[in-house]
Amino acid sequence: QVHLVQSGAEVKKPGASVKVSCKASGYTFTGYTLHWVRQAPGQRLEWMGWINAGNGNIEYSQSFQGRVTITRDTSATTAHMELSRLRSEDTAVYYCASSGNAQAAFDIWGQGTMVTVSS
Amino acid sequence: EIVLTQSPGTLSLSPGERATLSCRASQSVSSTYLAWYQQKPGQAPRLLIYGAFSRATGIPDRFSGSGSGTDFTLTISRLEPEDFAVYYCQQYGSSPATFGQGTKLEIK
Repeated sequence: QVHLVQSGAEVKKPGASVKVSCKASGYTFTGYTLHWVRQAPGQRLEWMGWINAGNGNIEYSQSFQGRVTITRDTSATTAHMELSRLRSEDTAVYYCASSGNAQAAFDIWGQGTMVTVSS
Repeated sequence: EIVLTQSPGTLSLSPGERATLSCRASQSVSSTYLAWYQQKPGQAPRLLIYGAFSRATGIPDRFSGSGSGTDFTLTISRLEPEDFAVYYCQQYGSSPATFGQGTKLEIK
């Protein structure tokens, strides 16, 4: 059974950074691409970036360029997404999702991680 | 960036009825790169349709996708109680991948 399990909810102050993890199991981690998508309250899903878990290639959305860093640890079959310089508008549920490659539909999703930014 | 606009915003139907959801793109999208997702409250999205027409693993055949160019449709032939949810279209052929704003399918 393919699973993506994310780390728990976070509460951060404006200006801080948050790091969310996504552990994969049940498939060959390095054979897939992992995306990060967020959903602010009442808003549409917003793609943030992806990492090729095999070769480590990365692409970020211009909307988050300079603030987001996606990494992976192949030995731990885990991907991480760090978002810096947080502001209140970053309050959202953050999801990881896997796809066969960078241009494939997102077929497996993590359960989501709520990040709240509040002073 | 390709903007996806879904209509209607809310669709009120009864179980057993047919649902037709629309997704319009601001520029042409290859059918290869158009997907539909279902999301229920408190849950992650679930892939229903990829490549505009292909059902994902385990998705019942009452769900079907169609369309090309800038206009795509998700059809649910006979609504079951578990189908009432929010549906999103997505294009993933052009970076950044983008999603529509969603159609809420509610019980009438």
